[in-house]
Amino acid sequence: AQTVTQSQPEMSVQEAETVTLSCTYDTSESDYYLFWYKQPPSRQMILVIRQEAYKQQNATENRFSVNFQKAAKSFSLKISDSQLGDAAMYFCAYIIPNAGKSTFGDGTTLTVKP
Amino acid sequence: DVKVTQSSRYLVKRTGEKVFLECVQDMDHENMFWYRQDPGLGLRLIYFSYDVKMKEKGDIPEGYSVSREKKERFSLILESASTNQTSMYLCASSWWDRKRYGYTFGSGTRLTVV
Repeated sequence: AQTVTQSQPEMSVQEAETVTLSCTYDTSESDYYLFWYKQPPSRQMILVIRQEAYKQQNATENRFSVNFQKAAKSFSLKISDSQLGDAAMYFCAYIIPNAGKSTFGDGTTLTVKP
Repeated sequence: DVKVTQSSRYLVKRTGEKVFLECVQDMDHENMFWYRQDPGLGLRLIYFSYDVKMKEKGDIPEGYSVSREKKERFSLILESASTNQTSMYLCASSWWDRKRYGYTFGSGTRLTVV
C-alpha cells in the first residue's frame, strides 16, 4: 500500500522568509502524480503545485517550488518570500490517475509570523 | 475554472438518519471522489466513480454508499448515520488530458451526527 508521510505537524516562518515542508512517500508504482494542496480556514482545498513522476525537472509555480527526489521518494515544498496569506494546512498527496488510488499525508500546519 | 459544488456547508443529523451529501461538477469530468477528512488522519478515500453508474470502494467504504446517475452529480449516502461519522466530507473531480492531470475539490461539508 502507498503511504505518504509529512513529518512536520506544524511549522512557522517569518514573513518574507523561506520555509520548506517535507513529504516522503512509499510506492512500487512508476507512473504517478504528486501534489501539494493548501487548505486555509475557509476549508477550500487549493492546488499549490503538481509534479509528474516521469519528469525529472522540479515543478515551480511563482514562489512555490518542489524538490522531487524520485529515488529517495521525497517531495518537499519550498515557499519563498512567505506571505501572511500562505498560512494554512498543507497536504502532500500521491495520486495515480484514473485508478482511484490516492493517498494524502496528515498535513502540516504553517503559521506565518508578521 | 472547474467548479465542484457541495450542496451543504454544515449539516447536523441524528443517529440513525439516512443522510445524503450531494456534489456537482460543471466540467464533464469522468472521475469523481468522496473523501473524509479527520484531524491527524489526512484525507481518506471513501468511494470513487469513473463513470455514470460505475463506482469503486476506496479505503474506508464501510457505512457509506454512493450514487452516480448523471455524470455531473455524485452523491454520498450514509444509510444510518452514526456518531463516528461526524467529520468533514470533501468531494473532488479529476480530469486527464494526455500527460496533464487535474484534481479539484469542493469546499467541504462538515457533518455532525448527534
